[in-house]
Amino acid sequence: SQTIHQWPATLVQPVGSPLSLECTVEGTSNPNLYWYRQAAGRGLQLLFYSVGIGQISSEVPQNLSASRPQDRQFILSSKKLLLSDSGFYLCAWRRDRWTEAFFGQGTRLTVV
Amino acid sequence: EDQVTQSPEALRLQEGESSSLNCSYTVSGLRGLFWYRQDPGKGPEFLFTLYSAGEEKEKERLKATLTKKESFLHITAPKPEDSATYLCAVQAKDNYGQNFVFGPGTRLSVLP
Repeated sequence: SQTIHQWPATLVQPVGSPLSLECTVEGTSNPNLYWYRQAAGRGLQLLFYSVGIGQISSEVPQNLSASRPQDRQFILSSKKLLLSDSGFYLCAWRRDRWTEAFFGQGTRLTVV
Repeated sequence: EDQVTQSPEALRLQEGESSSLNCSYTVSGLRGLFWYRQDPGKGPEFLFTLYSAGEEKEKERLKATLTKKESFLHITAPKPEDSATYLCAVQAKDNYGQNFVFGPGTRLSVLP
């Protein structure tokens, strides 16, 4: 069966520090991979998606970037965090663009 | 613009008191509607996918239905462990299938 791992679960970082969140998927090949951010009381916002190694699409302009160095690995990064980057970040995968998404357990990021 | 609204925002039920959650959507053409359950501090857990009006899916005490404008998640004889936030999301036919539009969710509390 397929599983998705996302870490760390919580992170407190100072303003201006770098960020690296990692997500890996097991039990499937060539998944579509996604990074979402969830704000309290609001729907999930798609940040980035990837349909293959090295292929990254950004949905919204922001202080973040994403990379996919391996087929089942997806990384969310920032060179310098802003207070507004605080939030709950979720990684997800889909078999293809027509099917349901499966989410990781999320990372609670607090920028102080 | 594709939009999803959910009602009520919050719902408190007594154990065994059946009810329904509503998800209303506006999309140019629906490819799929997805229901998720999310526990506090966790990633969303996939429940159902509905593709066409009239379709129904069931899982334990949950039943999801779909019309051309809305979807309902019916909860029959709920138990305290059904307490969670329930999210719905839609995928339009013409957005290349990479983005779900999520609603803000309904926060369900089932009291023993």
